[in-house]
Amino acid sequence: EDQVTQSPEALRLQEGESSSLNCSYTVSGLRGLFWYRQDPGKGPEFLFTLYSAGEEKEKERLKATLTKKESFLHITAPKPEDSATYLCAVQAGGSNYKLTFGKGTLLTVNP
Amino acid sequence: DADVTQTPRNRITKTGKRIMLECSQTKGHDRMYWYRQDPGLGLRLIYYSFDVKDINKGEISDGYSVSRQAQAKFSLSLESAIPNQTALYFCATSDFHGGANVLTFGAGSRLTVL
Repeated sequence: EDQVTQSPEALRLQEGESSSLNCSYTVSGLRGLFWYRQDPGKGPEFLFTLYSAGEEKEKERLKATLTKKESFLHITAPKPEDSATYLCAVQAGGSNYKLTFGKGTLLTVNP
Repeated sequence: DADVTQTPRNRITKTGKRIMLECSQTKGHDRMYWYRQDPGLGLRLIYYSFDVKDINKGEISDGYSVSRQAQAKFSLSLESAIPNQTALYFCATSDFHGGANVLTFGAGSRLTVL
């Protein structure tokens, strides 16, 4: 059974204080690992897909990295507008549709 | 206008009532999904549809039914709502071409069953 564990459950940062969110996973082969951002009262918004260990992707202050067991979402010099819940999900190699989601990390960035 | 539109956004109902949540999309995607989100739990798949004639149960389909009225429309019904169906429901679409299945989500429908 595919599993995704995100840590910490909640993270509070000061503006400009860089940190990382963790997503540990077990999956039968990996077709893709996804990061989504979810704002209160809204649906998840796609950020990145990572396909293989060693891959990195960046978008503004966010950088996602992938190893064979986990992914990190690095947030550099965060701003209050980066406050959101960040969700991680995996798609197994044998599936063309099923995503297994983690419970998410609630990030709060204080000014 | 949003790519994926869900109605209603909020609904309060009573136990035993029939409820329909509607979803429409302008992405032109063939695939549509219904997910449920509960506090402390990850998103869980209720039903999915790869095209108008292909509808499949997800991991938590008991107590739910769906209808794919057109490529752009996918509705979720609760025939007889119960309190543990109180949750945030998301419709999603995807345009799959053999690789990763990237989902586009609607804004959600918050359902409360009293």
